[in-house]
Amino acid sequence: GAVVSQHPSRVICKSGTSVKIECRSLDFQATTMFWYRQFPKQSLMLMATSNEGSKATYEQGVEKDKFLINHASLTLSTLTVTSAHPEDSSFYICSARDPGQGAGTEAFFGQGTRLTVV
Amino acid sequence: LAKTTQPISMDSYEGQEVNITCSHNNIATNDYITWYQQFPSQGPRFIIQGYKTKVTNEVASLFIPADRKSSTLSLPRVSLSDTAVYYCLVAMSGGYNKLIFGAGTRLAVHP
Repeated sequence: GAVVSQHPSRVICKSGTSVKIECRSLDFQATTMFWYRQFPKQSLMLMATSNEGSKATYEQGVEKDKFLINHASLTLSTLTVTSAHPEDSSFYICSARDPGQGAGTEAFFGQGTRLTVV
Repeated sequence: LAKTTQPISMDSYEGQEVNITCSHNNIATNDYITWYQQFPSQGPRFIIQGYKTKVTNEVASLFIPADRKSSTLSLPRVSLSDTAVYYCLVAMSGGYNKLIFGAGTRLAVHP
């Protein structure tokens, strides 16, 4: 089945630096990808919708200048956490659905990226 | 987007059948019901999806009544490895439709 891959799976960075997380659809083209953040013992929270060739759509309360999203190709979306601080430490997950499938198809999720800001 | 309500947690024992019910009173005509499983430090994994009546695959069954205002995920003969968080989602089909997660149900399977 379709696979979505994230890289890196784990990253530790110093406070004030930026971190880029990649999300790739491996065997389908995804014009739309989604980025989630998950804190310990909590559910996934949608951060933004990444649109190929256009600006991302951010959910209310998510700072677009802090979480930069680029969807430059049909198989790659990147999330850059700029000027990271310890409170940005979280589990980041991307997802996409294969638009080539029919109605009622499931979304595929990446394996997630554990970001720790020290 | 239809809101979903599930029990926060459930406990079971190995070999038992587990049924997790999800309420989605405001489900729309074009919405599908999808269940995902998530283990710690992993992305959610698709379990099963349905629109109406009953759907069965190799890992679970999904029961959806005629009014579609609820659904029940049935896991037959659970094992310790089924300990996870289970999410019920309701959304339209199509790659551009976002999925909003509720709190999910934390299932603990005991020996």
